Amino acid sequence: KAGVTQTPRYLIKTRGQQVTLSCSPISGHRSVSWYQQTPGQGLQFLFEYFSETQRNKGNFPGRFSGRQFSNSRSEMNVSTLELGDSALYLCASSLGGARSYGYTFGSGTRLTVV
Amino acid sequence: AQRVTQPEKLLSVFKGAPVELKCNYSYSGSPELFWYVQYSRQRLQLLLRHISRESIKGFTADLNKGETSFHLKKPFAQEEDSAMYYCALSSNAGGTSYGKLTFGQGTILTVHP
Repeated sequence: KAGVTQTPRYLIKTRGQQVTLSCSPISGHRSVSWYQQTPGQGLQFLFEYFSETQRNKGNFPGRFSGRQFSNSRSEMNVSTLELGDSALYLCASSLGGARSYGYTFGSGTRLTVV
Repeated sequence: AQRVTQPEKLLSVFKGAPVELKCNYSYSGSPELFWYVQYSRQRLQLLLRHISRESIKGFTADLNKGETSFHLKKPFAQEEDSAMYYCALSSNAGGTSYGKLTFGQGTILTVHP
């Protein structure tokens, strides 16, 4: 079966712009989480959605937001981009939570802010 | 608050040697622990879940609640085991994790021929 699909794979944006990243989970998975990966901070949790509702949120500023659609596909948006937002953004899906199942990750979107 | 510590950033062993990747955690509740692996140019993938007590690719990991550790072990390392390994903890409230995995900083394992 198809894995977690993230688009686009690469993005280059200018400081101050906004960006939208997309994630299609594995069919049947209702939970989608987002992570930011950087060399300095490692993997950090952004937020999680389940059945179109945000259930959990990490310690990121309000410029980072997301949503989930009725088909479980999810988008995250970053407004007023800063140089420090350059990172690999990973999406992960699960049946309903990490407990006992673990999350399946996508390949990520590499965002570069210049 | 939960925290995962992987004390070794780099670990090098020779093929056929035993390998142990260390992971320590702090969490006040009952943790769910995982090991994820990322091979070169591949996506992050689940290797082990503590709750399943399984062995994958010869790797095992035992949750030691007394020492708050979840070390990953393999008796005979292979060159194809070279990768980045992440230990992760899932917190949960009322039996639901709400999607948050807390990752360690990762250990790069290199297995030399």
